[in-house]
Amino acid sequence: ELKVEQNPLFLSMQEGKNYTIYCNYSTTSDRLYWYRQDPGKSLESLFVLLSNGAVKQEGRLMASLDTKARLSTLHITAAVHDLSATYFCAVDGTDKLIFGTGTRLQVFP
Amino acid sequence: KAGVTQTPRYLIKTRGQQVTLSCSPISGHRSVSWYQQTPGQGLQFLFEYFSETQRNKGNFPGRFSGRQFSNSRSEMNVSTLELGDSALYLCASSLYGTSAQETQYFGPGTRLLVL
Repeated sequence: ELKVEQNPLFLSMQEGKNYTIYCNYSTTSDRLYWYRQDPGKSLESLFVLLSNGAVKQEGRLMASLDTKARLSTLHITAAVHDLSATYFCAVDGTDKLIFGTGTRLQVFP
Repeated sequence: KAGVTQTPRYLIKTRGQQVTLSCSPISGHRSVSWYQQTPGQGLQFLFEYFSETQRNKGNFPGRFSGRQFSNSRSEMNVSTLELGDSALYLCASSLYGTSAQETQYFGPGTRLLVL
């Protein structure tokens, strides 16, 4: 059964700092998704990574996918308070998404 | 283009009752998936419907059921509610589903509280 693990589960970081969230999954998959969820809100799509070596960037967030290592990273550059949210990775598990545990990010001044 | 809508947004029920939740996908989208989100179990897949047919089902008891109408709107039903069914229920739509390498667009969710 496909399992998806994220770490860290909780991340408190100062504005202006850089950090990386890791997403490991247990079986082969070529598709990985990153979502953002604000408290009490729904999931917002951030990135869709469809092949080995895929890299996508949007603002201060950059996501990459290494299918051989079964690893995706979400890198945060020069964090700002607006990035505070919970971030989920999700892997395609044959007609369904298998979500990671989520990483709750808190950015403080 | 209007997003995914879900009704109701909040619901309070008591144990043993049943509940029906509704999801209207983005216009033109034919795939609707349902997910349950709880603090303990995280986000878990319930089922997916495509063109009125259930295409996939997660590991949930038979109390959880769903259907999809010809206009792609979907409903899920939970019978004989248990306290553990308290959760945020999210639906997501896409043109053809995850097998088509598409993004799934999520609705705002229905927050269900079972007392």
